[in-house]
Amino acid sequence: GAGVSQSPSNKVTEKGKDVELRCDPISGHTALYWYRQRLGQGLEFLIYFQGNSAPDKSGLPSDRFSAERTGESVSTLTIQRTQQEDSAVYLCASSPGRVGTEAFFGQGTRLTVV
Amino acid sequence: AQKVTQAQTEISVVEKEDVTLDCVYETRDTTYYLFWYKQPPSGELVFLIRRNSFDEQNEISGRYSWNFQKSTSSFNFTITASQVVDSAVYFCALRGAGNNRKLIWGLGTSLAVNP
Repeated sequence: GAGVSQSPSNKVTEKGKDVELRCDPISGHTALYWYRQRLGQGLEFLIYFQGNSAPDKSGLPSDRFSAERTGESVSTLTIQRTQQEDSAVYLCASSPGRVGTEAFFGQGTRLTVV
Repeated sequence: AQKVTQAQTEISVVEKEDVTLDCVYETRDTTYYLFWYKQPPSGELVFLIRRNSFDEQNEISGRYSWNFQKSTSSFNFTITASQVVDSAVYFCALRGAGNNRKLIWGLGTSLAVNP
C-alpha cells in the first residue's frame, strides 16, 4: 500500500506479557516516529528514527519500552512485561526526512492490557 | 525549548457557524515549520497544512483558512460554514530545522459540530 501500515490493528494482552508492534513506513521515508495516545489525550512522543543517525529515545517512558528499525524500512516497538497503564493507541508516522516535510500516520495499534 | 499550546480543549458549534482554533507556539529556532492535523473519530491523523516560518502568507483551502502571525507566535485555523463532518480533534504541531526534527505537538482541540 501507499500509506503507513501498522499491525496488529488491535491487541489484547495479559498483564506481564511482552508485545511487539509493527510499523511499515511509506517507501523512501527516512524518518519514522512512534507516539502513544491515551484515550482522550494528545500525542506522547516515544522515539524518532532518522536515517542512519542514532535514534532519539528521549520519549520512551521506561526501560520496558524499546524500538528498532532496520535501515529505512520496518520498525518494531516492543513493550516488555506490559502493565495496564500501557493501554493506549500506538501511532507510527513516517516522513521523507527533508527539513519541513510533514509526517504521515498509520491507523495505529490499539493495545489493551488486561 | 519548543512548545505548542492549544488553549481550547473543546469547542462546540452549530452547523454553518464559523470557528477558529487557536495555536500558539514557542521556539528559539529562526527557521521552523508549523503543521495542522485532523483526527476524526476513526482515529487516523490526517495532515492538513504545513507552513514555513519565513512565509507569513495566509492560506485558504476551501472552507479552511490559516492565519500565521510571527509577531504573536500564532498559527490559527478557521473553518468557515462548519459541517458535521468537521467534527474531530485538531492538532497543531511544530518542528525545528535543526538536527533534531522531532515534531512537538499541542494537546489538541476537540471540535463538535452539531446539526
